[in-house]
Amino acid sequence: AQSVTQLDSHVSVSEGTPVLLRCNYSSSYSPSLFWYVQHPNKGLQLLLKYTSAATLVKGINGFEAEFKKSETSFHLTKPSAHMSDAAEYFCVVSDQKTSYDKVIFGPGTSLSVIP
Amino acid sequence: GAGVSQTPSNKVTEKGKYVELRCDPISGHTALYWYRQSLGQGPEFLIYFQGTGAADDSGLPNDRFFAVRPEGSVSTLKIQRTERGDSAVYLCASSRRTSGGRNEQFFGPGTRLTVL
Repeated sequence: AQSVTQLDSHVSVSEGTPVLLRCNYSSSYSPSLFWYVQHPNKGLQLLLKYTSAATLVKGINGFEAEFKKSETSFHLTKPSAHMSDAAEYFCVVSDQKTSYDKVIFGPGTSLSVIP
Repeated sequence: GAGVSQTPSNKVTEKGKYVELRCDPISGHTALYWYRQSLGQGPEFLIYFQGTGAADDSGLPNDRFFAVRPEGSVSTLKIQRTERGDSAVYLCASSRRTSGGRNEQFFGPGTRLTVL
């Protein structure tokens, strides 16, 4: 069975400082992993995805994530936070054994950016 | 091009009433998903359509919930005898085709359902 753990329900950083949002997953098979962002009153938007190619994945808006199989982790990072990064972030796992794109969402991490 | 659209954006109803929530997927997307997102939680899978058929409805919480996609495009989520616990944001997503978990899903803005 698949599951996703996001270790921090809330993260607060100062503008211009690095961002680290942590994600650990459990999957019986080779997973696909995604990070989605949800701004208030807006739809979920894909930041980046890992599907068994390069383990370091670059996404939109300067975000990147590294797949570490030995640690079952897929942490999201950004070198310098911007005010517009304040949002809810979801780590998502998809089991590639399934015949379709069934995914499991983590509980989310709320990111606050302090001016 | 146009993204996934959902109507209404907000729906307030009374306990025991029937509601319908509509989803218009991106044109050409054959896969369609419904999710429910309760306050402070991540979206939870409800049902998946491939074309017109519900290929996986294992996430529907009980038989008060039902969804259709009669022509393989627009989908309607139907909730009978609504309860206060049904209050949540209902999200719809679509993707081009199934690919064993590799495809990005494109999400609509959601319908916020409030049951009084």
